[in-house]
Amino acid sequence: DAMVIQNPRYQVTQFGKPVTLSCSQTLNHNVMYWYQQKSSQAPKLLFHYYDKDFNNEADTPDNFQSRRPNTSFCFLDIRSPGLGDAAMYLCATSRDDAGSSYNEQFFGPGTRLTVL
Amino acid sequence: RKEVEQDPGPFNVPEGATVAFNCTYSNSASQSFFWYRQDCRKEPKLLMSVYSSGNEDGRFTAQLNRASQYISLLIRDSKLSDSATYLCVVWGGKLIFGTGTRLQVFP
Repeated sequence: DAMVIQNPRYQVTQFGKPVTLSCSQTLNHNVMYWYQQKSSQAPKLLFHYYDKDFNNEADTPDNFQSRRPNTSFCFLDIRSPGLGDAAMYLCATSRDDAGSSYNEQFFGPGTRLTVL
Repeated sequence: RKEVEQDPGPFNVPEGATVAFNCTYSNSASQSFFWYRQDCRKEPKLLMSVYSSGNEDGRFTAQLNRASQYISLLIRDSKLSDSATYLCVVWGGKLIFGTGTRLQVFP
């Protein structure tokens, strides 16, 4: 089945140790998103790629970076994780970046990050 | 003020009950509106889009009132499997999620 895959599902890292989360999609969608969701909070958009164009949210800390080497893959790099970065990280894709239901965002299962 | 506000709940209802969730949004220029469902420790999934004319999908009915900037979701004949968090989501250049309303349906 076409889908959005995230690896690993659970990641434990140490304070300050760089970590990379990965996302892949078989939907051939143009847009890939990274969200951060903390417990009992709403998912918060960090950034997205429209094809190769990177769009950062204004309030996303510099500690968070992203790479999209090709259509199928997108990575989230956390350069120096702090305790406050422990969260679920959700990858999503959509055909386009308009807000209609035609451009439904499909979410991956998420990576739960623990920072020790 | 949050961009999208929801009552966090939880709403505890028996099977077969009708339950309604409400949501308000602050940006009058918002263009599209959705309800997503999120099960515990899982990803959000689109439940339904919300149109000004109101729309129904089986036991689920969504309504939008643009003048009041208010969105609702009605679930009829609740099932145990409806237990989840329901996220009100608004599009205004990007998806803005509410924090969700938790529903627990008991036997």
